[in-house]
Amino acid sequence: GAGVSQSPSNKVTEKGKDVELRCDPISGHTALYWYRQSLGQGLEFLIYFQGNSAPDKSGLPSDRFSAERTGGSVSTLTIQRTQQEDSAVYLCASSLGRNSPLHFGNGTRLTVT
Amino acid sequence: AQSVTQPDIHITVSEGASLELRCNYSYGATPYLFWYVQSPGQGLQLLLKYFSGDTLVQGIKGFEAEFKRSQSSFNLRKPSVHWSDAAEYFCAVGNTGGGADGLTFGKGTHLIIQP
Repeated sequence: GAGVSQSPSNKVTEKGKDVELRCDPISGHTALYWYRQSLGQGLEFLIYFQGNSAPDKSGLPSDRFSAERTGGSVSTLTIQRTQQEDSAVYLCASSLGRNSPLHFGNGTRLTVT
Repeated sequence: AQSVTQPDIHITVSEGASLELRCNYSYGATPYLFWYVQSPGQGLQLLLKYFSGDTLVQGIKGFEAEFKRSQSSFNLRKPSVHWSDAAEYFCAVGNTGGGADGLTFGKGTHLIIQP
């Protein structure tokens, strides 16, 4: 079946511009996660959606970062006024619920010039 | 707070040789443990998981891992590596309370396979 789909796969943007990253989770998965992966680092948790509950935003690094999940399915991660330190791979994952294995998309590689 | 340590940033092994990637975790109760693999330009793929029961778990691609509570370890092993195993490997721990911050990843081990 279809896996987690992320778009775009690559994004180059100028410093100060806003970007939107999209994630299409696996159908039926109630949990959706966003992670950031910087060179040589592990995965940094950003935000977590579970069903219709309020999202866990505790990992968002600044108020320039926000995310929404419409209809319990597709999610969009928005970064406003991008900075060079935002350059990273942004990974989306979905799962059936808490502590179920995560299924990852291929990520969006963001480069801020 | 829980944490995961992968002490080896890079590991180089010859094709056909055996492999062991180390993972140590810090958590107060019985953890849920995972190993993921990431090939270049790809997302992470689950290799195997431990929730309870038999401490030796089998995964995909011929990998296995052993949960050792006394050593707080969950090392990944493969008896004979193939060139296609070259990738980044991540160990992760989740707690019984669940939730997003219940899943903590190590910083990864980069596996290089030499001919």
